[in-house]
Amino acid sequence: GQSLEQPSEVTAVEGAIVQINCTYQTSGFYGLSWYQQHDGGAPTFLSYNGLDGLEETGRFSSFLSRSDSYGYLLLQELQMKDSASYFCAVRADQAGTALIFGKGTTLSVSS
Amino acid sequence: DTAVSQTPKYLVTQMGNDKSIKCEQNLGHDTMYWYKQDSKKFLKIMFSYNNKELIINETVPNRFSPKSPDKAHLNLHINSLELGDSAVYFCASTPPGTYGNTIYFGEGSWLTVV
Repeated sequence: GQSLEQPSEVTAVEGAIVQINCTYQTSGFYGLSWYQQHDGGAPTFLSYNGLDGLEETGRFSSFLSRSDSYGYLLLQELQMKDSASYFCAVRADQAGTALIFGKGTTLSVSS
Repeated sequence: DTAVSQTPKYLVTQMGNDKSIKCEQNLGHDTMYWYKQDSKKFLKIMFSYNNKELIINETVPNRFSPKSPDKAHLNLHINSLELGDSAVYFCASTPPGTYGNTIYFGEGSWLTVV
């Protein structure tokens, strides 16, 4: 089967750094994306990795190692507003019709 | 301006009814999707529609039927609603050439079947 594994919950304090890992097992791989979803809201795109390495966007960075079928999202200088669910997603086919999401990691940031 | 908009936002209906959710995107994207998010927040793709080509997810019951009058609209019609259909349904679209690497979601439609 096809699966993405990520921790169900992570807690941290304001100003800290958090890493959310994602390991995947899919029939194909054409990229790893990350999405943020606040309670009651829609998923919002954060970052995409198509090749190995680190992508940085402000306080957020994402990393991919295709040989390890592994990626992570790094959140720095955590703020209360970062409390949300974070999903990794793999495009498993070239056309982008088979998009598989992980079950999400709930991040709770406290003061 | 809302990029991907869907209506209604909330829908409560009885088992056995037929309902539709409408979606429109003003981003000029060619590919649109319907996703279902269950009570455990699990997001699962239901359909993708690229211009005139509909890609059907075989795990979706045929009670669900997408309809696209043009590339800016992708509606979802559900027949004979069941309790298990209660979920949040997200419409989404993706820019040309990105093949789903970057997805823009609508605000969601909360469907409750009683």
